[in-house]
Amino acid sequence: EPEVTQTPSHQVTQMGQEVILRCVPISNHLYFYWYRQILGQKVEFLVSFYNNEISEKSEIFDDQFSVERPDGSNFTLKIRSTKLEDSAMYFCASNVQGADEQYFGPGTRLTVT
Amino acid sequence: GNSVTQMEGPVTLSEEAFLTINCTYTATGYPSLFWYVQYPGEGLQLLLKATKADDKGSNKGFEATYRKETTSFHLEKGSVQVSDSAVYFCALRHTGTASKLTFGTGTRLQVTL
Repeated sequence: EPEVTQTPSHQVTQMGQEVILRCVPISNHLYFYWYRQILGQKVEFLVSFYNNEISEKSEIFDDQFSVERPDGSNFTLKIRSTKLEDSAMYFCASNVQGADEQYFGPGTRLTVT
Repeated sequence: GNSVTQMEGPVTLSEEAFLTINCTYTATGYPSLFWYVQYPGEGLQLLLKATKADDKGSNKGFEATYRKETTSFHLEKGSVQVSDSAVYFCALRHTGTASKLTFGTGTRLQVTL
């Protein structure tokens, strides 16, 4: 069964450093999403992406964040200058055009020290 | 705006007990409703969904009915197992192809022998 994959599974970085989190959505999906979950808290929407542009973004998704689909398979989330409060589990999700269900990857745990 | 409210956990039950996890929502229009499950150390998995009023979603013995009159989508299972121990998230999504999911805070379920 096709699945969304994410790399790395765990990323440790120092405050102020740039990180890139990578996702490979399911191959025939066209809509892509990033969510995050701070430890012990709820899952929060960050951004949705379709046709090479952002469809919607939350207040969390400020100028420090960017997304890109650099090729036909990867979908990346970049944080330019990480802060301690960016420490969280980041989930990528995707779905097909017109479909309701979003399929989630296993997540990348980001730890900012 | 949209919001989802779940009963707080943790919920601790003995094996074979009856489970109810309450979920209510606030939204305009007619959202789709979901239950996601997160097993320890894993990502989010869709458990069940309902897309319109009075629909019942079911999977692996879990059920939830979309109640528009009470804006609720309570999760139930007649007989829980130790393997059901996980965090359960209620979520809503508006119709539309790039629409974000709004999650509740999650309810941790612990099932003991």
